[in-house]
Amino acid sequence: DAMVIQNPRYQVTQFGKPVTLSCSQTLNHNVMYWYQQKSSQAPKLLFHYYDKDFNNEADTPDNFQSRRPNTSFCFLDIRSPGLGDAAMYLCATSRELRGGWSGANVLTFGAGSRLTVL
Amino acid sequence: KQEVTQIPAALSVPEGENLVLNCSFTDSAIYNLQWFRQDPGKGLTSLLLIQSSQREQTSGRLNASLDKSSGRSTLYIAASQPGDSATYLCAVSSGNTPLVFGKGTRLSVIA
Repeated sequence: DAMVIQNPRYQVTQFGKPVTLSCSQTLNHNVMYWYQQKSSQAPKLLFHYYDKDFNNEADTPDNFQSRRPNTSFCFLDIRSPGLGDAAMYLCATSRELRGGWSGANVLTFGAGSRLTVL
Repeated sequence: KQEVTQIPAALSVPEGENLVLNCSFTDSAIYNLQWFRQDPGKGLTSLLLIQSSQREQTSGRLNASLDKSSGRSTLYIAASQPGDSATYLCAVSSGNTPLVFGKGTRLSVIA
């Protein structure tokens, strides 16, 4: 089945130790997103890739970076995790028409990666 | 800037009751609205999608309505079951912004 797969499902790291979370998709969607969801909070968009174009939300900390080496994969790098970065990280994909953003298409989410910072 | 609010934050009902969850959004110029289900510690499962031109969508015991002009949506769950216990999130797509989420309503259905 076509899907969005996130690894690892659970990640424990120490304060300040870099972490990489991965997301892969078999949907051939051209847009990939990373959301951060803290306990009892709404998922918050960190950034998204529209094809190869990186779009960072204005309030996303510099501590968070992303890479998209090809259509299928997208990585979230947290350079120096702090206690406040403990959260569920959700990857999503969608297919947007060439030529611009329509926002009309459905996002498909992965199961999430839960990050614990000690 | 689009803001999404969900009321109530938490709801507890006995099994078999019908219930309504509410979602409101500040910018009515939306492309679509989605309702998601999230089990504790898990990712998001899409339940229903309503395009801006639609008034409602139904899937099994779930019915979602959309009143774009007033910036409101409701999710109706009929004959609730303990397995419906989860957090229900509403999200809208508008402008140049991907999905904006509400904080969700945490539903407990008591057997």
